[in-house]
Amino acid sequence: NAGVTQTPKFQVLKTGQSMTLQCAQDMNHNSMYWYRQDPGMGLRLIYYSASEGTTDKGEVPNGYNVSRLNKREFSLRLESAAPSQTSVYFCASRGPGQGGNQPQHFGDGTRLSIL
Amino acid sequence: AQSVTQLDSHVSVSEGTPVLLRCNYSSSYSPSLFWYVQHPNKGLQLLLKYTSAATLVKGINGFEAEFKKSETSFHLTKPSAHMSDAAEYFCVVTPDSSYKLIFGSGTRLLVRP
Repeated sequence: NAGVTQTPKFQVLKTGQSMTLQCAQDMNHNSMYWYRQDPGMGLRLIYYSASEGTTDKGEVPNGYNVSRLNKREFSLRLESAAPSQTSVYFCASRGPGQGGNQPQHFGDGTRLSIL
Repeated sequence: AQSVTQLDSHVSVSEGTPVLLRCNYSSSYSPSLFWYVQHPNKGLQLLLKYTSAATLVKGINGFEAEFKKSETSFHLTKPSAHMSDAAEYFCVVTPDSSYKLIFGSGTRLLVRP
């Protein structure tokens, strides 16, 4: 069972470069999420997609765009990378369920450094 | 507004002694609450969840948590710590009918031999 797969695992970019982080899930989940994790701040939601065809901003969307390509895939794009976007990025998915009682399943993360 | 406060950023215990990781939440609704664990360079793994079925929730690896509405708390406990429990732990709340998770800032558990 692959679960949630993120690529790449590591990446170094120069300021101003663009990049797309890929995420795919094989659990037939409707909802998918992108988070960033910074020291001492827990995880902060960047964007989420409640279902195929919809996307919404989270807590820290500035500087990012997303695409829900199909039910399986949800990508995160940095159009012009900035050093403040150095972070660990996690993708997650969640299956259907009443309200918020279904847990999210996380990938292993993408460690992104911007010089 | 909903929020989660993890009262300790670091907790250190000796192997074989009890573990207590504290979490308080604020929610306008009847919340769902979760504890996740994150080992180094890994994603988050679900330890347990509370969804109003029972106030004492048992999870994986011997962890459990008790939901106390009067204290708005959801503390995580384990009777006897193992070296493999050393990791970061996140308390998470999701308001009813919300797709979003609200994370605490995390507690790093150190287990001494």
